[in-house]
Amino acid sequence: QSVLTQPPSVSAAPGQKVTISCSGSSSNIGNNYVSWYRQLPGTAPKLLIYDNNKRPSGIPDRFSASKSGTSATLGITGLQTGDEADYYCGTWDSSLSAAVFGGGTKLTVL
Amino acid sequence: QVQLVESGGGLAKPGGSLRLSCAASGFTFSDYYMSWIRQAPGKGLEWVSYSSTSGTTIYYADSVKGRFTISRDNAKNSLYLQMNSLRAEDTAVYYCARALAKRWLQKEWPNYFDYWGQGTLVTVSS
Repeated sequence: QSVLTQPPSVSAAPGQKVTISCSGSSSNIGNNYVSWYRQLPGTAPKLLIYDNNKRPSGIPDRFSASKSGTSATLGITGLQTGDEADYYCGTWDSSLSAAVFGGGTKLTVL
Repeated sequence: QVQLVESGGGLAKPGGSLRLSCAASGFTFSDYYMSWIRQAPGKGLEWVSYSSTSGTTIYYADSVKGRFTISRDNAKNSLYLQMNSLRAEDTAVYYCARALAKRWLQKEWPNYFDYWGQGTLVTVSS
C-alpha cells in the first residue's frame, strides 16, 4: 500500500491529452514539493517534473504539472505512442522521515 | 555526462548479506546527496536510503532500518549499500540515484532524484 495514491492506469488516443492524479496528505504533498518520474519498459526511471511544476532541461513542454493542497496532477498533451510508460509521483513525508512514491500509473496510448 | 553504475547484485540466501556499489562520474560526487531506491519485480518504486554529502545525515526506510547501511567514499566517487539479514521481500532491482535536497532550519531531506543508474538485481531465495 503506497503512501501516495495514483490511478493504476489511464489511456488516451494519440494526439490527445491525459492527466494523472496523485493524492497524499498534509505530511507529504501538503507540505513538500512533488516530483514526477517516467519509467519506460525495461529502463530506469527518469525525472520529468520537480518542485511541483518545473521541467528539467530536455523535457518538452508537453509535460506539465500542478499541486493543490494534498493532491498533485501530471498532464501530458500531444500524446505519442512513445509516451507509453509507468508514471510515478514522489515527495518527502515529514512524519515518516521518508521519501515516498505513488504506486505508479500505467499510461496506454491507444 | 552524469553516469551512475550499480554493481554487486546477485543471488543471496535469506539471512545472508550483499554489498551494492554505485560508481559515479560526470559530476562532482562530493557535492551531491545520494539515495538508493528499489523496485520489486512488477511493483512500484520504494525509497530505501539517503545520504548527505558527507554522510552525516542519513535516512532509512522502516523496512530496512537496522539491516541496511548506506555509506559513501567521496574520494572514490562511490556510494554503497551494505545489506544484512536479507529477506525474500528484499528481492528487487536496486537503483542508485542522485538526490537534490531541501533544507529548512537545521533539517535537510531529499527533494527529488534527478539522475538514476540502470539498476542491479538482488534476488533473495533459498
